[in-house]
Amino acid sequence: DIVLTQSPALAVSLGQRATISCKTNQNVDYYGNSYMHWYQQKPGQQPKLLIYLASNLASGIPARFSGRGSGTDFTLTIDPVEADDTATYYCQQSRNLPPTFGGGTKLELK
Amino acid sequence: EVQLVESGGGLVQPGRSLKLSCAASGFTFSSFPMAWVRQAPKKGLEWVASISSGGGGTYYPDSVKGRFTISRDNAKSTLYLQMDSLRSEDTASYYCARQGTGGKYYFDYWGQGVMVTVSS
Repeated sequence: DIVLTQSPALAVSLGQRATISCKTNQNVDYYGNSYMHWYQQKPGQQPKLLIYLASNLASGIPARFSGRGSGTDFTLTIDPVEADDTATYYCQQSRNLPPTFGGGTKLELK
Repeated sequence: EVQLVESGGGLVQPGRSLKLSCAASGFTFSSFPMAWVRQAPKKGLEWVASISSGGGGTYYPDSVKGRFTISRDNAKSTLYLQMDSLRSEDTASYYCARQGTGGKYYFDYWGQGVMVTVSS
């Protein structure tokens, strides 16, 4: 199985940029696509898709969220951070079955 | 508006069975592959099962293969998860999720989740 590694927590000030990283132990690129996706989960709620295929914004997601990367290194950027962005962020790969998730990065405000 | 509503969770003894349902609305259910994803208390996300749009293809991780069965009824726009031989480590919130098309295995809409507790 492909393993995804995320830092456990990140603290950012309101209005600043948050950069959340996700590293995989295998290349998740395939035929021109990077099979990396990002989700936001607030306490007591279901996950919400933010970014799919590394850089595509999901429906209804504000442009403050963006994703980039390829191969084994990926980032989710939130710029500027708003109070409502406090949540846990998960990356997920789907290059190979089983689809696997990172352990999550908890974003907090300074 | 896409809606996914799970039901059927609860407390069950180890070794027993439970069947979850997910009622879908707001989209053409028969056009999308679907999945179940679970989250143990205070833990991360784990994919549990996927099924193709027509129901002919099913996929599982090793952790549940042979014990869990995913199925769907496109006429009723409902997804199911039959869970047999339940273990304490199956205790989790179970989410029904719509899967992206084209075999891309991302999950673009999620239900609110249903809790399954396996304990004697």
